[in-house]
Amino acid sequence: GAVVSQHPSWVICKSGTSVKIECRSLDFQATTMFWYRQFPKQSLMLMATSNEGSKATYEQGVEKDKFLINHASLTLSTLTVTSAHPEDSSFYICSAREGGLNQPQHFGDGTRLSIL
Amino acid sequence: AQSVTQLDSHVSVSEGTPVLLRCNYSSSYSPSLFWYVQHPNKGLQLLLKYTSAATLVKGINGFEAEFKKSETSFHLTKPSAHMSDAAEYFCVVSDLGYNKLIFGAGTRLAVHP
Repeated sequence: GAVVSQHPSWVICKSGTSVKIECRSLDFQATTMFWYRQFPKQSLMLMATSNEGSKATYEQGVEKDKFLINHASLTLSTLTVTSAHPEDSSFYICSAREGGLNQPQHFGDGTRLSIL
Repeated sequence: AQSVTQLDSHVSVSEGTPVLLRCNYSSSYSPSLFWYVQHPNKGLQLLLKYTSAATLVKGINGFEAEFKKSETSFHLTKPSAHMSDAAEYFCVVSDLGYNKLIFGAGTRLAVHP
């Protein structure tokens, strides 16, 4: 149980394009979803938290117009990197939580984004 | 404010020997604590969680962790390492006040034949 699917797993695109990453909870309803960014050999950096049907809460220093998050249903959240540039290249990971604050987050397998 | 310190950035063990990954936390109230494992180019997999029930928590793949309030520790152990245990391990505390997880810096576990 508690499977989170993230798609795509790899994406390479040209500078200036927009890229959408999907995160789905397959066997549970996710009241809250999270988006993280991970640099090589480093821990995860929380970018934003989203609850279904409401606007995402962004962490300090994360550009909300650059990283658009939509949480349209209890099983789907999307992250769109707009007008991507090489410095946006990174490993992006989503997670989903079912229920209250003391419940664990379940993570997707991540998306490796490379901007040429 | 809550924080997590993983005391070792790298741990190397031989296959079949015990594993100890150390974690200390600070919290102003009863925390929820987790250990996650990350294999290369993958997301994080939950190993085990502590949420104020039994202080000795058993997880998947033979791992367990003991919550020690007096020492503010939550160390991860396994009696006998397998080659497949080689990965990055994260100790995590749930920041209830801010609805988010606080991650340790991670410990890379290497297992040698």
